[in-house]
Amino acid sequence: QVQLVQSGAEVKKPGASVKVSCKASGYTFTGYYMHWVRQAPGQGLEWMGWINPNSGGTNYAQKFQGRVTMTRDTSISTAYMELSRLRSDDTAVYYCARDSVPIAVAGPLIIFDYWGQGTLVTVSS
Amino acid sequence: EIVMTQSPATLSVSPGERATLSCRASQSVSSNLAWYQQKPGQAPRLLIYGASTRATGIPARFSGSGSGTEFTLTISSLQSEDFAVYYCQQYNNWPLFGQGTRLEIK
Repeated sequence: QVQLVQSGAEVKKPGASVKVSCKASGYTFTGYYMHWVRQAPGQGLEWMGWINPNSGGTNYAQKFQGRVTMTRDTSISTAYMELSRLRSDDTAVYYCARDSVPIAVAGPLIIFDYWGQGTLVTVSS
Repeated sequence: EIVMTQSPATLSVSPGERATLSCRASQSVSSNLAWYQQKPGQAPRLLIYGASTRATGIPARFSGSGSGTEFTLTISSLQSEDFAVYYCQQYNNWPLFGQGTRLEIK
């Protein structure tokens, strides 16, 4: 069965960086785009961008360009999201989410069919 | 920029009754609309995509309709496990979620 398992909670100071991992299993990691979505406490969902695990190509939401870097390690089927220059309003749960359509077919369609359990990132001085 | 507006913000319905949730886009998104369910402390779960296609394993009591700018998620007979927050999401261009509708027990 498809599983996305994320790294544990982080506490960071303003101005620091955080790197969250997402280990995929139960499917071919390089076959599907991986997205990152965040959710501030008590708030809605915000898409951050995607990575093509096969090519390493990325596409970031304009809001995060210059601060976010998405990478992957295909040898361990793991995607990473690094956010730099953290601010207090970056406090949120960060999710990885798989795109529903195989890369070989099309995409990304930007429909999220499997999600990680989420990683709470707290930014506080 | 597209704005997604969900209504109502909170909906109180009794178990066994029907719930109707609305999502409006500020401009046409064709049928590129998905619905997600989120329970406290959990990740969202895909319910509907293409405005009306149920995702794998989703019960038939969940149905979606609409196209263009007006969309509806209907839950025909509410079960206890259906009380949650529901989000719509357009993927016609850059993905954007609505602010959510909280479905609570009446």
